[in-house]
Amino acid sequence: GESVGLHLPTLSVQEGDNSIINCAYSNSASDYFIWYKQESGKGPQFIIDIRSNMDKRQGQRVTVLLNKTVKHLSLQIAATQPGDSAVYFCAETKKTSYDKVIFGPGTSLSVIP
Amino acid sequence: DTGVSQDPRHKITKRGQNVTFRCDPISEHNRLYWYRQTLGQGPEFLTYFQNEAQLEKSRLLSDRFSAERPKGSFSTLEIQRTEQGDSAMYLCASSLSQGAGTEAFFGQGTRLTVV
Repeated sequence: GESVGLHLPTLSVQEGDNSIINCAYSNSASDYFIWYKQESGKGPQFIIDIRSNMDKRQGQRVTVLLNKTVKHLSLQIAATQPGDSAVYFCAETKKTSYDKVIFGPGTSLSVIP
Repeated sequence: DTGVSQDPRHKITKRGQNVTFRCDPISEHNRLYWYRQTLGQGPEFLTYFQNEAQLEKSRLLSDRFSAERPKGSFSTLEIQRTEQGDSAMYLCASSLSQGAGTEAFFGQGTRLTVV
């Protein structure tokens, strides 16, 4: 079946350090991946996405890496700030159903001031 | 504030009662999505609309669940004969067009507690 999962349920980092959040997916048919950030009491917020024909994509302070060989996705946050504290979800969709987004279980990131 | 609003924010109901939630998407968005999220888990897709047409429903959406978007604007999600297992956060999202790379904006959700 389809599943998207995370290696680490919780992550604590010192303010200013870089954070890496990992994600494994099992559906080879998935060709589009998204990272979401969810703060307490709010809905998920889009951070960055990547298509399966790419290995890396950079945004502002964030980088997503995709390794299709081992079905692994990671989100790197540079110079982590207290405002980055949240739960991060990786999610996947496939070409036949881009509107059906499958979320992983989430990683809680805590930034220590 | 993402521009997607959901009402109510919280709902406590007794088992067996019916509940209805409302979602007002961003006005020009033609796609609207419903998700359910339980504590510590990622959101689970329930259904989505393009304008007023309901295009896909998850297996999670049992016969007790019904969603509508009668005029292609706001949407309602009704749960009949609620069960304790229905307790969750119900999230609504909207987007402007189809396809990968189209950002969906989420509301703050309706937290349902069935007692």
